[in-house]
Amino acid sequence: GNSVTQMEGPVTLSEEAFLTINCTYTATGYPSLFWYVQYPGEGLQLLLKATKADDKGSNKGFEATYRKETTSFHLEKGSVQVSDSAVYFCALTLSGGYNKLIFGAGTRLAVHP
Amino acid sequence: GAVVSQHPSWVICKSGTSVKIECRSLDFQATTMFWYRQFPKQSLMLMATSNEGSKATYEQGVEKDKFLINHASLTLSTLTVTSAHPEDSSFYICSARQRGTGYGIGQPQHFGDGTRLSIL
Repeated sequence: GNSVTQMEGPVTLSEEAFLTINCTYTATGYPSLFWYVQYPGEGLQLLLKATKADDKGSNKGFEATYRKETTSFHLEKGSVQVSDSAVYFCALTLSGGYNKLIFGAGTRLAVHP
Repeated sequence: GAVVSQHPSWVICKSGTSVKIECRSLDFQATTMFWYRQFPKQSLMLMATSNEGSKATYEQGVEKDKFLINHASLTLSTLTVTSAHPEDSSFYICSARQRGTGYGIGQPQHFGDGTRLSIL
C-alpha cells in the first residue's frame, strides 16, 4: 500500500545547527510530496512541496528534493532557529480518491539556544 | 490567502453531549473538505472526506452515526460528535481544498488550527 516513513524523533539541536529529517515513501504511481509543520496547539501549515521527480521545494530556508530513485523527500535546513521547534510531517498524495493526504508519523524538532 | 477557520478551538463538555465543530474557508471556496483526528504525539488520521452538496466518504473504522459531517456550502463544513464519551476526546483538525484547483495532486490542503475536545 501507499505509506510514508519518517525518522523517529525527537530531534534535538542547538541553534544554527544543520537539520536533516529523513522521509521515504512507498506509492503506486507518481505522488506529489509535501512537508507540513505543526506548532504547539495549532493545525498544520504547508512548508513546501514537490510534484515530480527531481523537483526541489523550498521555503523559509528549508529544502527538500523529490528523489524518485531512492523514493525519498528528506527535509534540510542549513541553520535552525529556536522558532523552528515544531513537529514536521512528510506527506504524499496520489491521483484519484480526492487526493487524500497520507501522512508520516511526524518528527518533533526541539532547537535550543 | 487560503485561510481556514475552525471553531471552537477548545471545548469541554459532559459525557453524552453532542458537540458541533465548524470549519470555514474564509477567502476561498472549498469543494472538498477533510476531517482528521490526532491523538497526542501522533500523526493525523483521516476520518472522512466531504464534498459540497453530497454525502461524506468515511474512512474504514470511522462510525458514520457517531461523527456526522455536513458540507452544506462551499465555505462551511461541520463535524458533529454525537453523544460524546471520554474516548472521543482528541484534537480534531479540518482542511480544505480550494475550488478551481481541480484534483491536481500538487494542490495543497489548507488546514484549520484544530479543535481540542475534552469529554468529562
